[in-house]
Amino acid sequence: AQTVTQSQPEMSVQEAETVTLSCTYDTSESDYYLFWYKQPPSRQMILVIRQEAYKQQNATENRFSVNFQKAAKSFSLKISDSQLGDAAMYFCAYRSAQASNYQLIWGAGTKLIIKP
Amino acid sequence: EAQVTQNPRYLITVTGKKLTVTCSQNMNHEYMSWYRQDPGLGLRQIYYSMNVEVTDKGDVPEGYKVSRKEKRNFPLILESPSPNQTSLYFCASSLLRGKDGYTFGSGTRLTVV
Repeated sequence: AQTVTQSQPEMSVQEAETVTLSCTYDTSESDYYLFWYKQPPSRQMILVIRQEAYKQQNATENRFSVNFQKAAKSFSLKISDSQLGDAAMYFCAYRSAQASNYQLIWGAGTKLIIKP
Repeated sequence: EAQVTQNPRYLITVTGKKLTVTCSQNMNHEYMSWYRQDPGLGLRQIYYSMNVEVTDKGDVPEGYKVSRKEKRNFPLILESPSPNQTSLYFCASSLLRGKDGYTFGSGTRLTVV
C-alpha cells in the first residue's frame, strides 16, 4: 500500500523569505500523480500544485514550485517570497493512475507559520 | 463557477438523530468521495463513487451511508450518529482518470452530543 510522509509537523519562515516543505512517499507504481494542498484557517482545501510522475520537469505555479525526485520518492514544496496569506496547513497527497479507487493518500500535514 | 457545494457548514446534533450532509458538484465529474478529517489522523476516506449508482466503501465506512442517484449529488447519511462521528467532513469530486486533484467542498463541522 502507498504511504505519504511529511516529517515536519511545523515550519516557520520570515515574511518574504523562502521555505521548503518536505514530503516522501512509498509506492511500487511507476505512474501516479502528486499534489500539494493548502488548508488555511477557513479550513477550505485548496490545490496548490500538482506533478505527474512521468514528467521530469518540476511543476511551478507562480511563487510555488516543487522538487520532484522520482528515484528518491521525494516531492518537496518550495514557497518563495513568503506572504502572510501563505500561513496554513500544507498536505502532500498521492494518487495512483491505475488504482480502481482513485483515492488520494494523504500525509499528516505541515503547519506553516509566517512571521511578519 | 466550478465548485462543490456542501451543506451545512456547521451542525450540532444529538446521538441517534438521523442526519444528511448534502454535496453537489457542477463540473460533470464522475468521481465523488467523502472524507473525514480528525486531528492527528489526517484525512480518511469514508465512501466513494465512480459514477451514478456505483458506490463503495473507503477506509472508515462504519456508521455512514451514501447514495448516488444523480451524477451531481452525493449525500452522506448518518442513520444513528454517535459522538465518535464528531469530525470535520469534506466532500470532493474529480474526473475519473484525470491528472487533476480533487475539488473540495467547504467542509461540514459536525458535533454529536
